[in-house]
Amino acid sequence: AQTVTQSQPEMSVQEAETVTLSCTYDTSESDYYLFWYKQPPSRQMILVIRQEAYKQQNATENRFSVNFQKAAKSFSLKISDSQLGDAAMYFCAYRFFSSGSARQLTFGSGTQLTVLP
Amino acid sequence: DGGITQSPKYLFRKEGQNVTLSCEQNLNHDAMYWYRQDPGQGLRLIYYSQIVNDFQKGDIAEGYSVSREKKESFPLTVTSAQKNPTAFYLCASSMTGRGYGYTFGSGTRLTVV
Repeated sequence: AQTVTQSQPEMSVQEAETVTLSCTYDTSESDYYLFWYKQPPSRQMILVIRQEAYKQQNATENRFSVNFQKAAKSFSLKISDSQLGDAAMYFCAYRFFSSGSARQLTFGSGTQLTVLP
Repeated sequence: DGGITQSPKYLFRKEGQNVTLSCEQNLNHDAMYWYRQDPGQGLRLIYYSQIVNDFQKGDIAEGYSVSREKKESFPLTVTSAQKNPTAFYLCASSMTGRGYGYTFGSGTRLTVV
């Protein structure tokens, strides 16, 4: 079974500083994708960034980037120049592809990020 | 604009009642999902459907039922057999090709009164 672990229930960062959220996963699959989702107080889930397991290059979306270490099964999210609007619950998620179809997402337990002014 | 709509936003259930949460999408997505979220916790999969007229149990299906009669719709019924139904429920949809994540609805907050 696939599992996703986020070992930091809560993190805080000063506005304009950089913070890294950790995520590890366990899988025996070779064809998979990893995602970070953001859930602000509105509770609307928003896709932040995705990473394909076959790609060695780390994904980047503006101030958000990942450090994907496939051998270590680690997928951390770095937020640069943190803004007050980044305050949210962040979920790491995993999805594998098998028999011609993508399977359901498996989520970690989340990291609550607080941004301090 | 395409999207996924959940209704109602808030729902109250009396003990012993069944209630149905609505989820509709106009994204032409093949797959739809229901997740439950408890305070401070991650998302747990209740049911999912990859095609019309077919659905599969997730990790916590007991006390819930679903149907998928149309591609656009995937309603979730919380039955009286669900002993602790108070939670936030999220519906999502997705294509099933490589690289796709989910599009989520805005959720339904269910409270037992």
